[in-house]
Amino acid sequence: RKEVEQDPGPFNVPEGATVAFNCTYSNSASQSFFWYRQDCRKEPKLLMSVYSSGNEDGRFTAQLNRASQYISLLIRDSKLSDSATYLCVVNAYGAGNMLTFGGGTRLMVKP
Amino acid sequence: EPEVTQTPSHQVTQMGQEVILRCVPISNHLYFYWYRQILGQKVEFLVSFYNNEISEKSEIFDDQFSVERPDGSNFTLKIRSTKLEDSAMYFCASNPGQGIAFFGQGTRLTVV
Repeated sequence: RKEVEQDPGPFNVPEGATVAFNCTYSNSASQSFFWYRQDCRKEPKLLMSVYSSGNEDGRFTAQLNRASQYISLLIRDSKLSDSATYLCVVNAYGAGNMLTFGGGTRLMVKP
Repeated sequence: EPEVTQTPSHQVTQMGQEVILRCVPISNHLYFYWYRQILGQKVEFLVSFYNNEISEKSEIFDDQFSVERPDGSNFTLKIRSTKLEDSAMYFCASNPGQGIAFFGQGTRLTVV
């Protein structure tokens, strides 16, 4: 079973659309959760941390459900510049404080 | 804004040769990592380094790989005898200890 699982997509959406990505993780000891964004052939960049109570940053909303081991990212009013791969990332702290990455979900926003 | 820097940006090497990939993590960070990403695949953990020693390594990080922090600022990844399948983007990252990791721009390693 994959440790962090995501639908690879691609999700093709028009500008202005709302799109949601989901992610599940297998390690119940995971402590911290993040969404990273990766543009083609570039490094992953932190988009936002995910908190138990859910959190919002502008057009982006992240939710965490620890009981179901499920994380989500909602993007409202999609922009062309949102086109990228979105990586779900978890940290189990004890294991060398390493991040475990999902395979990513590709988003393509079209005019 | 402080950032993780990596050199070179692209390295081409012949199979069997040794390569050293270099990184300068963010100075007050505590954890340092190497990750790799084969083209079209996911980001994979190689090794984490804390308090001047390896704290965790993956099964990818075999005897061909080693890491060093020779002078308190640089953090290097050495691959002793490169194979074709080592061709990938190698990312260095550092973490202040709060779980978030900041990544360098990566070194694209091409083994021919």
